[in-house]
Amino acid sequence: ETGVTQTPRHLVMGMTNKKSLKCEQHLGHNAMYWYKQSAKKPLELMFVYSLEERVENNSVPSRFSPECPNSSHLFLHLHTLQPEDSALYLCASSQDTLTTDTQYFGPGTRLTVL
Amino acid sequence: DQQVKQNSPSLSVQEGRISILNCDYTNSMFDYFLWYKKYPAEGPTFLISISSIKDKNEDGRFTVFLNKSAKHLSLHIVPSQPGDSAVYFCAASAGANSKLTFGKGITLSVRP
Repeated sequence: ETGVTQTPRHLVMGMTNKKSLKCEQHLGHNAMYWYKQSAKKPLELMFVYSLEERVENNSVPSRFSPECPNSSHLFLHLHTLQPEDSALYLCASSQDTLTTDTQYFGPGTRLTVL
Repeated sequence: DQQVKQNSPSLSVQEGRISILNCDYTNSMFDYFLWYKKYPAEGPTFLISISSIKDKNEDGRFTVFLNKSAKHLSLHIVPSQPGDSAVYFCAASAGANSKLTFGKGITLSVRP
């Protein structure tokens, strides 16, 4: 399998649930990203990892907890979310974190919080 | 406050004609600009980019124009094809290791 994959593609959860989103890249990249896209809003960067170290946390609430166990995998752990957290969550990877390094996106996880 | 603005939410053009997608920005520190295309149920894919040292970059049917004094860039698609129907995002960054700031996107529909 090639490119950036994300699972699950769709997720419905209650506010008291704990769930995790998974992202995997098969491109040999060193950097991985989580973005959030809410309805009628721009993509918002949440987290950036470079060589498994978090290099950016974009003022994201602590109910979102990222994990990068190796350069190919990225997780987003979710707990006690709010309905306004319902959105499309996109993972991306790039060779490194230079702006000129093209970011390759996964298909996203559509999250609905009830 | 949005630093990258795509003020028109949608655009419809006839196949074979030119599509012009516009993007405005407010941050004068932005020095690198990109366009991404997104089909339904897929992630965005990189289309074309331009550095602030240039005012035009061309790749096949796609050309991006940058007007720094007006803080405006545009994506031209000529000729437009039905397969170009997608959401187009403009993005910008300031500096070599800067994050990307995205616009809300424009939905392009190309009519056969």
